[in-house]
Amino acid sequence: QVQLQESGPGLVKPSETLSLTCAVSGYSISSGYYWGWIRQPPGKGLEWIGSIYHSGSTYYNPSLKSRVTISVDTSKNQFSLKLSSVTAADTAVYYCARQGDGYNLGGHDAFDIWGQGTMVTVSS
Amino acid sequence: EIVMTQSPATLSVSPGERATLSCRASQSVSSNLAWYQQKPGQAPRLLIYGASTRATGIPARFSGSGSGTEFTLTISSLQSEDFAVYYCQQYNNWPPVTFGQGTKVEIK
Repeated sequence: QVQLQESGPGLVKPSETLSLTCAVSGYSISSGYYWGWIRQPPGKGLEWIGSIYHSGSTYYNPSLKSRVTISVDTSKNQFSLKLSSVTAADTAVYYCARQGDGYNLGGHDAFDIWGQGTMVTVSS
Repeated sequence: EIVMTQSPATLSVSPGERATLSCRASQSVSSNLAWYQQKPGQAPRLLIYGASTRATGIPARFSGSGSGTEFTLTISSLQSEDFAVYYCQQYNNWPPVTFGQGTKVEIK
């Protein structure tokens, strides 16, 4: 079955860059779907960060766009998130997820498979 | 940006009873609406997409309805494993994708 697994540092210093990777197994990223990042601050709701298409096209939340870069490495079947100039407000559980595109999930762009999430704390 | 508003914030229900959760969009999202369930310490799980289509493996007691700006998730007979937080999400004309703030379904 399709599985996603986030990895990366659990602690990042303020003003530095948060970097996470999502390894995908059971499905080839280059075959389709969008691949997204969503975060959840402790005790709060979900916030979409951005998504990347298998072709490399990227889509970002306007509220984070100036600080976010999402990239894909089809040779390693993984995609990555970089968030620069982090502050304590970026402390959250970060999830990667597969997102339907016009050819999958009945043409609906919902997130059908999620990673388990990884907690990232921004603190000196 | 389309704002999603869920109500109520908390819903107290007894096992076996029906639960009705609401989600309102600040502008029409057609049927481009999904519902997720999240239990403590777990990732969200897709329940419904296209406003009314159950995702793979989701029990029939979960049903979604609505279109445009008003949507409802109904759990026909609450089981113990259904007590969780539920989020709606719109994906109409994104970016950005936006989520509601969540409804917590707790045991009465």
